[in-house]
Amino acid sequence: DGGITQSPKYLFRKEGQNVTLSCEQNLNHDAMYWYRQDPGQGLRLIYYSQIVNDFQKGDIAEGYSVSREKKESFPLTVTSAQKNPTAFYLCASSEGMNTEAFFGQGTRLTVV
Amino acid sequence: DQQVKQNSPSLSVQEGRISILNCDYTNSMFDYFLWYKKYPAEGPTFLISISSIKDKNEDGRFTVFLNKSAKHLSLHIVPSQPGDSAVYFCAASAMMTLGRLYFGRGTQLTVWP
Repeated sequence: DGGITQSPKYLFRKEGQNVTLSCEQNLNHDAMYWYRQDPGQGLRLIYYSQIVNDFQKGDIAEGYSVSREKKESFPLTVTSAQKNPTAFYLCASSEGMNTEAFFGQGTRLTVV
Repeated sequence: DQQVKQNSPSLSVQEGRISILNCDYTNSMFDYFLWYKKYPAEGPTFLISISSIKDKNEDGRFTVFLNKSAKHLSLHIVPSQPGDSAVYFCAASAMMTLGRLYFGRGTQLTVWP
């Protein structure tokens, strides 16, 4: 069953701790993306990767880091430098340019 | 700066009638447009797309219209069903930005019986 898996669905962390969100896809897609959704804000791009071992900052990359060591995996680390980390995080993948992106089910991160 | 705008945060339509969701964009380099549907606490699901070389694309009850001169697109749902109630996001991409998607803020559609 092909798709994108994000884990965990809910995550709680104490302020000041780094946390890594997992994203795995078995669609053989080259491109992967991380978005953040806040109420009334739509989806804002954090980082994206067009190919293994390469990634670019999106619109709100500050306080986040990513890696793309394998085609199937694109983990996102929310660092303590991110001022407002509590949000709904969405991972997506696509075959490439001008194709639809497929989304995972999201991870709700709450920092207390 | 919001390059894709959905100026109506909500829309309420009676079951069986047409729902029209609107989207405007500012970047003339956008050449591919998509609509996504999203339920709370879930990821968006792809609905329909249109390339800039077309002005209409139809898929069942869903039709997307593109007016390049006005930098405007719309999603028509006919007939609307209660299960269509969700947030709808408009998105756009351009070859020059390697296909990354720019999203609007979404429109909450409510279809009542």
